[in-house]
Amino acid sequence: AQSVAQPEDQVNVAEGNPLTVKCTYSVSGNPYLFWYVQYPNRGLQFLLKYITGDNLVKGSYGFEAEFNKSQTSFHLKKPSALVSDSALYFCAVRNPRYNNNDMRFGAGTRLTVKP
Amino acid sequence: DVKVTQSSRYLVKRTGEKVFLECVQDMDHENMFWYRQDPGLGLRLIYFSYDVKMKEKGDIPEGYSVSREKKERFSLILESASTNQTSMYLCASTIQEGPYEQYFGPGTRLTVT
Repeated sequence: AQSVAQPEDQVNVAEGNPLTVKCTYSVSGNPYLFWYVQYPNRGLQFLLKYITGDNLVKGSYGFEAEFNKSQTSFHLKKPSALVSDSALYFCAVRNPRYNNNDMRFGAGTRLTVKP
Repeated sequence: DVKVTQSSRYLVKRTGEKVFLECVQDMDHENMFWYRQDPGLGLRLIYFSYDVKMKEKGDIPEGYSVSREKKERFSLILESASTNQTSMYLCASTIQEGPYEQYFGPGTRLTVT
């Protein structure tokens, strides 16, 4: 079985401050991990993914995420938040042992960046 | 760019009606998915398909069926809509194997009254 948890429903940061959106996962073996963003009344947009290799992954719009195997975490980060980053963020995990590309999503974290 | 389109952005239906949600992708992806999104629950997989005429149940298939007659098109059917099926429905597609992300459509917000 595979699952992912986003422990925070809501994250509030001031514009210009660093932001972190947390994600922990549970999967046997080495996971594929993904972050998506959803703007109001829109579908999900892919931000970045971890497959293997360097634990720090860089993605779209200045976001990055750090894979930590010992803590089974994949937190999303950005050094300086923008008001336009305000959106709903989803972490997702896939077990590469299965070939169906079945992906499990977290419940989502709403990020609000205040001016 | 991959494009996944859904037939309606907003839909209002009455209880008991048969509802069709259509999804089309233009990247020749083998896998297609239907999710529903509800606040606090994230995305839950309803059905997915890995080939034409093939389908697999997801976590919450009850009350839904699907159809995939052509590779680019994946339909979600609510045989008899109920109020608890009021939700945002998202379609996605991806290449069959490998560490590839899913590409999502804009979603259909369905209200059943």
